[in-house]
Amino acid sequence: QSALTQPASVSGSPGQSITISCTGTSSDVGAYNYVSWYQHHPGKAPKLMIYDVTNRPSGVSNRFSGSKSGNTASLTISGLQAEDEADYYCSSYTRRFTWVFGGGTKLTVL
Amino acid sequence: QVQLVQSGAEVKKPGASLMVSCKASGYTFTSYYMHWVRQAPGQGLEWMGRINPSGAGTNYAEKFQGRITLTRDSSTSTDYMELSSLRSEDTAFYYCARDGHNYNFDYWGQGTLVTVSS
Repeated sequence: QSALTQPASVSGSPGQSITISCTGTSSDVGAYNYVSWYQHHPGKAPKLMIYDVTNRPSGVSNRFSGSKSGNTASLTISGLQAEDEADYYCSSYTRRFTWVFGGGTKLTVL
Repeated sequence: QVQLVQSGAEVKKPGASLMVSCKASGYTFTSYYMHWVRQAPGQGLEWMGRINPSGAGTNYAEKFQGRITLTRDSSTSTDYMELSSLRSEDTAFYYCARDGHNYNFDYWGQGTLVTVSS
């Protein structure tokens, strides 16, 4: 199972919006609406930010939103803040009853 | 509140086996699946496998088939991940992560650093 494809890095200034893409196949991202996104600060446990493509867990800012079209899912962060600087990973359930992660995207807030 | 507390860092020799534990609290242990995920230095997250609530069923990533065993002890609300035939490429942080009933990982352990070196 190959990892989902994410850009290695994205950047934006405070207050701007950025979007991180996550491209898979018809066997994972395109097969189900079971894409989730995680924020990972080095040395800490990853944090669930979006599940089922578009849903935010309780306590996650509404600046974070998710979407999907075909085999590509996206995470958008609006009103960028310094605290958003982290690594972001997408994940998808697959037709093989397994899960796969993206390679991760490093977000830099300029 | 939900907490997943993992065992401490380990140093292992190539060829040895590893066991990492993950003690859960703050929820009904036998109602949730548990996943294991690892992150090698400079690499992304990698899904390793999942155990079902009763402990009777597992799914493993193809990459780890034959080397990984997930078990759980409901009496102590503890999950275990055993990885055998260790090699240097298994050096990584290992995380347990609760399945949030929606095919995602809603709570994570703090991670266990495993170093494989001769």
